[in-house]
Amino acid sequence: DTGVSQDPRHKITKRGQNVTFRCDPISEHNRLYWYRQTLGQGPEFLTYFQNEAQLEKSRLLSDRFSAERPKGSFSTLEIQRTEQGDSAMYLCASSSTDMGYTFGSGTRLTVV
Amino acid sequence: AQSVTQPDIHITVSEGASLELRCNYSYGATPYLFWYVQSPGQGLQLLLKYFSGDTLVQGIKGFEAEFKRSQSSFNLRKPSVHWSDAAEYFCAVVVAAGNKLTFGGGTRVLVKP
Repeated sequence: DTGVSQDPRHKITKRGQNVTFRCDPISEHNRLYWYRQTLGQGPEFLTYFQNEAQLEKSRLLSDRFSAERPKGSFSTLEIQRTEQGDSAMYLCASSSTDMGYTFGSGTRLTVV
Repeated sequence: AQSVTQPDIHITVSEGASLELRCNYSYGATPYLFWYVQSPGQGLQLLLKYFSGDTLVQGIKGFEAEFKRSQSSFNLRKPSVHWSDAAEYFCAVVVAAGNKLTFGGGTRVLVKP
């Protein structure tokens, strides 16, 4: 297993466009988490899944954000009508019951 | 309110000197505790974690951390810093198994030659 994969690594988009990010967790991990990190800050929790069920969403996750994990494997995070304030690093992590949280390298979003 | 605090935003240390990074938490019960390191533009790498037992935890890259219940602290230490330790360090907690990690604001470590 190569760990948690995120695609793309970088995304530049114009304000108002929609973007979608993908996360492939470690295969035996049943929990998957999304975080957002802005420059100089710690990661902020967005949402998490146990298998295909979305168990918690942060207040940071506005109506323009949606996340899915349709078959309990990979997950997607979509941002509609992007705004400049959405520019950040989006991190995905997965874990199993042993509390081993493994992070991907992130997707850096720049909204111009 | 529940929180994780890293009081030092930046620390500059000379290569070969010791390093200590502070982390305090405010939760009703003792959470599970973690330290992560992040190099520029990269994801987060786990240095060590504490769930229970011995309060002095050994991690990778020569790091250790000590849990002090009375002070609600989980400070990270390294006896002798290398230039490659320059990075951002994050303390994180989990309140219950399987729940989300909550991170502190991070401490950026600069290493002088």
